[in-house]
Amino acid sequence: GEDVEQSLFLSVREGDSSVINCTYTDSSSTYLYWYKQEPGAGLQLLTYIFSNMDMKQDQRLTVLLNKKDKHLSLRIADTQTGDSAIYFCAGNTNAGKSTFGDGTTLTVKP
Amino acid sequence: EAGVAQSPRYKIIEKRQSVAFWCNPISGHATLYWYQQILGQGPKLLIQFQNNGVVDDSQLPKDRFSAERLKGVDSTLKIQPAKLEDSAVYLCASSLGGISSSDTQYFGPGTRLTVL
Repeated sequence: GEDVEQSLFLSVREGDSSVINCTYTDSSSTYLYWYKQEPGAGLQLLTYIFSNMDMKQDQRLTVLLNKKDKHLSLRIADTQTGDSAIYFCAGNTNAGKSTFGDGTTLTVKP
Repeated sequence: EAGVAQSPRYKIIEKRQSVAFWCNPISGHATLYWYQQILGQGPKLLIQFQNNGVVDDSQLPKDRFSAERLKGVDSTLKIQPAKLEDSAVYLCASSLGGISSSDTQYFGPGTRLTVL
């Protein structure tokens, strides 16, 4: 089945850009997602990208996809303290079924 | 629009006891998912329903876990008997259809289970 891997921790200063990386194994993944999880809460979908796209931008968020290397990244511009959370990468290989990475904990220091 | 509702939010039980979790999806959502999220890990799919039918329960430990969605709306997940390793957050999610890989899943706040 699909494996999704992420680095565990990232720490940045407020106002800097954050880049969270993810690698996946199944080249048939048709959609790739980024979710945000704050303490005590469920997962919130931030953005997703279709596998035939290289880049998607949505306000402060930029998703880059390198399908050849099976590498996905999420860039958050002008990172704020409210962006501190755990970010999960997920891939869909079958209709409606997602495989999640173990999450990257983003800490934003004032 | 109301989100996905789950109850209880927290549950503490002793091993070998039984426990049940309830989920009410967003109105009109045909697909319902139960995930198990162990501390420090990503969510792992336990079971997926399309209306009141099971689409995927390949990762559900069927010797102790069961789930139902009898009327195709709300759902119950049960563990009987619980083991220490079942301590986790149980997340429910719902989506409109599930026939497209882009079908967005909306998550509830989860039930945190502690087994002592």
